[in-house]
Amino acid sequence: DAKTTQPPSMDCAEGRAANLPCNHSTISGNEYVYWYRQIHSQGPQYIIHGLKNNETNEMASLIITEDRKSSTLILPHATLRDTAVYYCIVRVYTGGFKTIFGAGTRLFVKA
Amino acid sequence: EAGVTQFPSHSVIEKGQTVTLRCDPISGHDNLYWYRRVMGKEIKFLLHFVKESKQDESGMPNNRFLAERTGGTYSTLKVQPAELEDSGVYFCASSQDPSTGGEAFFGQGTRLTVV
Repeated sequence: DAKTTQPPSMDCAEGRAANLPCNHSTISGNEYVYWYRQIHSQGPQYIIHGLKNNETNEMASLIITEDRKSSTLILPHATLRDTAVYYCIVRVYTGGFKTIFGAGTRLFVKA
Repeated sequence: EAGVTQFPSHSVIEKGQTVTLRCDPISGHDNLYWYRRVMGKEIKFLLHFVKESKQDESGMPNNRFLAERTGGTYSTLKVQPAELEDSGVYFCASSQDPSTGGEAFFGQGTRLTVV
């Protein structure tokens, strides 16, 4: 059911920027791109979302391509605590609303 | 502001028994969702409440699962009778009106083990 494609895993050095890519080539014009992460077995944590424009908050930046077929989540200065599974999600509205999680990208931040 | 809270955090029951999971959403959030992750699998949507009404229950696996949200506040998810394959982590989330693009906030989950 997932409408996104992400690499299964990535490594990043502590203090460096982590750039996590996501493909969502079938995204519709009114669908948002969301990013969540899950640390260990905790509940998914919201990071950021966007529709067309690039977005930035205290946690991360979201870069969406002009054709909206892909996006990149940027953690500007990764720390060891950012090690987690990152999920790129396209919200699907089917009369109701549900968030469809894919396999995500397992990010390892190394010292 | 309190987040989404779930009770219990862990539950171990025998096959054939009944278990009820509870979710208290963030105050003022009309939308409440249930998800679960079984071992080695992806997080799967179960259902979505808007206030006390079931908006979408397409993800409910079978009729052994019953979700309720009386009064549109907290929600319960009952599994009766529980089977081994029901083991996993059950997450609840809540949000304001999703059509405005608001995010869903997740609870810490209930880890259910059926033995």
